[in-house]
Amino acid sequence: NAGVTQTPKFRILKIGQSMTLQCTQDMNHNYMYWYRQDPGMGLKLIYYSVGAGITDKGEVPNGYNVSRSTTEDFPLRLELAAPSQTSVYFCASRTGQGAYEQYFGPGTRLTVT
Amino acid sequence: GDSVTQMEGPVTLSEEAFLTINCTYTATGYPSLFWYVQYPGEGLQLLLKATKADDKGSNKGFEATYRKETTSFHLEKGSVQVSDSAVYFCALSDNTDKLIFGTGTRLQVFP
Repeated sequence: NAGVTQTPKFRILKIGQSMTLQCTQDMNHNYMYWYRQDPGMGLKLIYYSVGAGITDKGEVPNGYNVSRSTTEDFPLRLELAAPSQTSVYFCASRTGQGAYEQYFGPGTRLTVT
Repeated sequence: GDSVTQMEGPVTLSEEAFLTINCTYTATGYPSLFWYVQYPGEGLQLLLKATKADDKGSNKGFEATYRKETTSFHLEKGSVQVSDSAVYFCALSDNTDKLIFGTGTRLQVFP
């Protein structure tokens, strides 16, 4: 059982470039989330999805886009990368029932120079 | 709105010392409460949880009790190990779509 997987693990972008961070979960969870974690800081919610075809903004959505065409996948798109987007990005998922704990992927470390 | 407040770190302890990391919350409803742990270079892992008042969550020697009267969910461990060095996050779910995290507390344990 792989849980939540993220690719790539590391990436360096130049200012103005674009990229997609991939997130896949194999737990059949309806809910999926994208967070960013700046050095020494807590997590900030970027976007989330409550099911295929449904997405919503979190606390810091500017500069990002998401889509949810399947239950398993929730890619995060960065358009026109900026140094302020240098961060570690975590994807998470949860079931729609129970105590609502989220399960996290290993993260993608992104540097924009 | 709902919020979580954690004690500032780092918390520095010698091996086998007693650990307490304070967490208090503000919520209008009856939230579920969680502790997550983040080891260096890794994602967050669920450490323990409690879903109602007076519940005690426990795992790997860590414990936390859901105290509604003091709106607290303090994390404790009787004897820490070097391998417990990590960042610990307190979080709450008010049974909506999101988790609300505290800012995290770094624990450093020295031999």
